[in-house]
Amino acid sequence: GAVVSQHPSWVICKSGTSVKIECRSLDFQATTMFWYRQFPKQSLMLMATSNEGSKATYEQGVEKDKFLINHASLTLSTLTVTSAHPEDSSFYICSAKRQEISNQPQHFGDGTRLSIL
Amino acid sequence: QKEVEQNSGPLSVPEGAIASLNCTYSDRGSQSFFWYRQYSGKSPELIMSIYSNGDKEDGRFTAQLNKASQYVSLLIRDSQPSDSATYLCAVNTRGQTSYDKVIFGPGTSLSVIP
Repeated sequence: GAVVSQHPSWVICKSGTSVKIECRSLDFQATTMFWYRQFPKQSLMLMATSNEGSKATYEQGVEKDKFLINHASLTLSTLTVTSAHPEDSSFYICSAKRQEISNQPQHFGDGTRLSIL
Repeated sequence: QKEVEQNSGPLSVPEGAIASLNCTYSDRGSQSFFWYRQYSGKSPELIMSIYSNGDKEDGRFTAQLNKASQYVSLLIRDSQPSDSATYLCAVNTRGQTSYDKVIFGPGTSLSVIP
């Protein structure tokens, strides 16, 4: 069964709206979670690393004020796309891995398809 | 900028044949290597992980790793139409404090023809 839950699966909203996406590790604690974005026909691009209890680490070119990340607990990270515009429409995917076991692969959520009108 | 490269394909093989997918990476410090399968519109699912040089087999899948050549591959034996998907090579690399950041290659699109 799924070990990482992501919600919502689909979001369609008007330009200017802020959208929050949740990522939960279901049966393990994740001090670190990862947020990716994928445009059609392209690969996953890491946006940021979410760190429990501290600031997220953003990849080069990703706007911190645009994509707000909060990792308030060991099982939940949220990504908020603020004042979303059509160019933010994409497939957003989170992942987490079991921190207590080194070298373990990441487990992915089912993704959130965001469409901004 | 650390990179992971793959042939984008599409790679077409007949049903029952062996599909061979290749990946190269640039970070010599990488220690963990993963192959994910991604169906259209879905999130990636883990197929194989490999950490040591050599071959690792799991059912119809064999991952091969050569750290000296910075090369990792995935073989799919007895390919089935349900194997048609995009295969993503993923490699760990240094993040802010440790080597737990994973970057993905562009993916290879595989089509298995019945």
